Amino acid sequence: GAGVSQTPSNKVTEKGKYVELRCDPISGHTALYWYRQSLGQGPEFLIYFQGTGAADDSGLPNDRFFAVRPEGSVSTLKIQRTERGDSAMYLCASSLAGGTTGELFFGEGSRLTVL
Amino acid sequence: KQEVTQIPAALSVPEGENLVLNCSFTDSAIYNLQWFRQDPGKGLTSLLLIQSSQREQTSGRLNASLDKSSGRSTLYIAASQPGDSATYLCAVRAGSYQLTFGKGTKLSVIP
Repeated sequence: GAGVSQTPSNKVTEKGKYVELRCDPISGHTALYWYRQSLGQGPEFLIYFQGTGAADDSGLPNDRFFAVRPEGSVSTLKIQRTERGDSAMYLCASSLAGGTTGELFFGEGSRLTVL
Repeated sequence: KQEVTQIPAALSVPEGENLVLNCSFTDSAIYNLQWFRQDPGKGLTSLLLIQSSQREQTSGRLNASLDKSSGRSTLYIAASQPGDSATYLCAVRAGSYQLTFGKGTKLSVIP
């Protein structure tokens, strides 16, 4: 597609439930990033994929969070046993190549609300 | 640990004014700096990317400068318009693949 696509745009769930958030990067982009943004804050890094592998998952807050990118394109962020503190905007970004110089392009985000 | 600060947190200007948004960062050994725009409840739109070897970048009415040694960047917006109202975020990449973001400056341009 023309831009980074994220689904769903909004997700409301109950505490303890399992959630999946999907990201479809710009076609041909090999690098993919997940960020989380709380209200009034800047986005915070969660995980970075180069191709199919997670090159850096140091931002994942705990083992309830997991992300995959099995074919090197679409990625899914998975959250188990959701907690109210997980409520945030989850942003996905892609760049043409990995490394440290590429421009990141973000999607519209998935707003997660845990009741 | 890299920290990014944006001042002011909010800014209100009348339409037509030129304005400057400020960004400072603590670790000057950066690879690049990127400015984004975010509308309420939306994702981030990339405005300008400045590599560490560059001093400035321009796109239309926007001009971003980078002074790596002093840990500062500015985003200059010329002839502001109501459509420029949004939150502007500065992010730096230093030492890893991660971008470190500031909290943003919320800009309101009054018609």
